[in-house]
Amino acid sequence: KNEVEQSPQNLTAQEGEFITINCSYSVGISALHWLQQHPGGGIVSLFMLSSGKKKHGRLIATINIQEKHSSLHITASHPRDSAVYICAVRSDFGNEKLTFGTGTRLTIIP
Amino acid sequence: GAGVSQSPRYKVAKRGQDVALRCDPISGHVSLFWYQQALGQGPEFLTYFQNEAQLDKSGLPSDRFFAERPEGSVSTLKIQRTQQEDSAVYLCASSLRLAGLSNEQFFGPGTRLTVL
Repeated sequence: KNEVEQSPQNLTAQEGEFITINCSYSVGISALHWLQQHPGGGIVSLFMLSSGKKKHGRLIATINIQEKHSSLHITASHPRDSAVYICAVRSDFGNEKLTFGTGTRLTIIP
Repeated sequence: GAGVSQSPRYKVAKRGQDVALRCDPISGHVSLFWYQQALGQGPEFLTYFQNEAQLDKSGLPSDRFFAERPEGSVSTLKIQRTQQEDSAVYLCASSLRLAGLSNEQFFGPGTRLTVL
């Protein structure tokens, strides 16, 4: 079983829909990252959080440490949101390396 | 200032050839990471530097893989005698590493390696 699991693997939605991507992890963590990867490989960090909730524009990320679960929400989705969204965790064992989920491929149809 | 840069962006190698991939981190960033991303998969950790010290190389898949950061800034990932299974995108990331805090990592655009 992977340490970081994401669902769904693929998601297609109509423009304007509310999007939720889920991430579950099985290890103790010091931080969880949500990343966006567009075709061509470039990765952009969206959020880094260790508790609670963060919001940036139409993006919202939440984390429940007790349940070892995080969600990424996109409100009023737009075709330019189409990308792969990756959840990654940093363990709490003093190592800075990230362990990644396999990603969720999001396609927003106009 | 500039973000993390990597070169080359694309590399095609014949099986058995040696390759060298370069990463220029953000100026002043202490920590530098190399990740390998196979097609359709999430990135996987290869190795990590704090300044010039290689603190963790547990993710390097074989002794054909070697990384260095001799002056604590630019890093090179070298793959000797490339094999087809080495084909992947190689991502570099850097972070400030403020003591006691979990730091955001900034990623480069990656180098796509194709071994024929």
